[in-house]
Amino acid sequence: DIQMTQSPSSLSASVGDRVTITCRASRTINSYLNWYQQKPGKAPKFLIYAASSLQSGVPSRFSGSGSGTDFTLTISSLQPEDSATYYCQQSHSTPYTFGQGTNLEIK
Amino acid sequence: EVQLVESGGGLVQPGGSLRLSCAASGFTFSTYWMHWVRQAPEKGLVWVSRIYSDGSKTTYADSVKGRFTISRDNAKNTLYLQMNSLRAEDTAVYYCGRDPDYGGYSFFEDWGQGTLVTVSS
Repeated sequence: DIQMTQSPSSLSASVGDRVTITCRASRTINSYLNWYQQKPGKAPKFLIYAASSLQSGVPSRFSGSGSGTDFTLTISSLQPEDSATYYCQQSHSTPYTFGQGTNLEIK
Repeated sequence: EVQLVESGGGLVQPGGSLRLSCAASGFTFSTYWMHWVRQAPEKGLVWVSRIYSDGSKTTYADSVKGRFTISRDNAKNTLYLQMNSLRAEDTAVYYCGRDPDYGGYSFFEDWGQGTLVTVSS
C-alpha cells in the first residue's frame, strides 16, 4: 500500500498568513493526489484533484502543487473559516490512502 | 443539487451484520463510480471500497475484504454496503462518496453526511 505522510500534524496561524501543508507519498503517484477539508462534525469537502486542479467554487486562495512523491497545499491568505483539518489522498492505486490529517487552527 | 444520504447505521454486537444504504439524487447515478470511506471516532479518513458505475467491478480494503460487500442498484439510485462479521474496530462514521473519474483522475467529489456504526456488546 502507498503510505501518505502529512506535515505538520497541526499548526496555528493568524488571519492573513500564508500557510503550507506538505504531503509525501511512500512511492511515486505522479499527480494522483487530492486534497480535502473537514470541519468538526461535518463530512469532508473536496478541494483539489490531480495535485493542482481547483474544484469549482473553492476559493482561489487555495492552491496545490507537486508531482511524484512530494505535494503541497497552500492557503495564500488565511481566513477564519479555513480553520479545519486537511487531508491529502492518493488515487494512483487501490487501496486509496489518506494522510493522517493536518489540524489548522486560527490564532 | 447533488445529494447523498446514508442510512442504516446503528449499534450492533460483535459478529453481527448491518447493511448501509446511500440514496443518491441530483445527478445521473449510473454514470459515476461510488465509494465508501469511514472515519473512526477522533481518527482520520480510511477508504473502504469502490464500485464501478455499472457495478461490474468492486475493490476493497484488506481490512474488510471477505466481510463487506459493496453493491448498487442503478434503477433505485442507491449504493449499499453489506457488513458481516463486524468487529469493534469497524466502529466508525461511514460516508458514501461520488467519484467522477474525471480524465482518469479518481476523487471523492461529493460526500454524504455519514452514518454511525457502533460495534459493541
